[in-house]
Amino acid sequence: DADVTQTPRNRITKTGKRIMLECSQTKGHDRMYWYRQDPGLGLRLIYYSFDVKDINKGEISDGYSVSRQAQAKFSLSLESAIPNQTALYFCATSAPGGSETQYFGPGTRLLVL
Amino acid sequence: DQQVKQNSPSLSVQEGRISILNCDYTNSMFDYFLWYKKYPAEGPTFLISISSIKDKNEDGRFTVFLNKSAKHLSLHIVPSQPGDSAVYFCAANTGGFKTIFGAGTRLFVKA
Repeated sequence: DADVTQTPRNRITKTGKRIMLECSQTKGHDRMYWYRQDPGLGLRLIYYSFDVKDINKGEISDGYSVSRQAQAKFSLSLESAIPNQTALYFCATSAPGGSETQYFGPGTRLLVL
Repeated sequence: DQQVKQNSPSLSVQEGRISILNCDYTNSMFDYFLWYKKYPAEGPTFLISISSIKDKNEDGRFTVFLNKSAKHLSLHIVPSQPGDSAVYFCAANTGGFKTIFGAGTRLFVKA
């Protein structure tokens, strides 16, 4: 079984709709992250969480919110989706120390019409 | 301001030859540099890393070289195999949680 899972894998929604992307992990890591990938821009950090009570904004948090329901679960919400939020979204985890290697989920491809 | 830059969007190499992927950075405070590999419909996976106190790290066919004076690192794959065809992301961090990723280089290894 995959260590980091994301649901849904693909989603099409309309402008103005609220949607939630979910992430679960079995690696036992406290640190979790949400990134988006756009062509030519690499991976950009949306939100990160060091534990259930510690949630922080990343470089592109506007229009997004998150919830850390448990150590293993970290959800990303788009309160009112807009077309420029069309992207590939990745959840990741890491353990503190060293090079902070991150472990990524398979991604959610989101299309906002 | 892109702190980590991969200036080549794509690279094509013949099977068995060397692949060299390049990455430049601007922040001299970075402590660790990492390479991730991404296949279509999958998330990035960690490939190899190097600490800023080293200039070379090797793992099988993969070697990363770091030139701190030039703020440049490179990933060498020798010999290249068709299964190496993927997008490669260069990344860097200051030993903490915030990792900065480059835009990626798509490698094509031709059989």
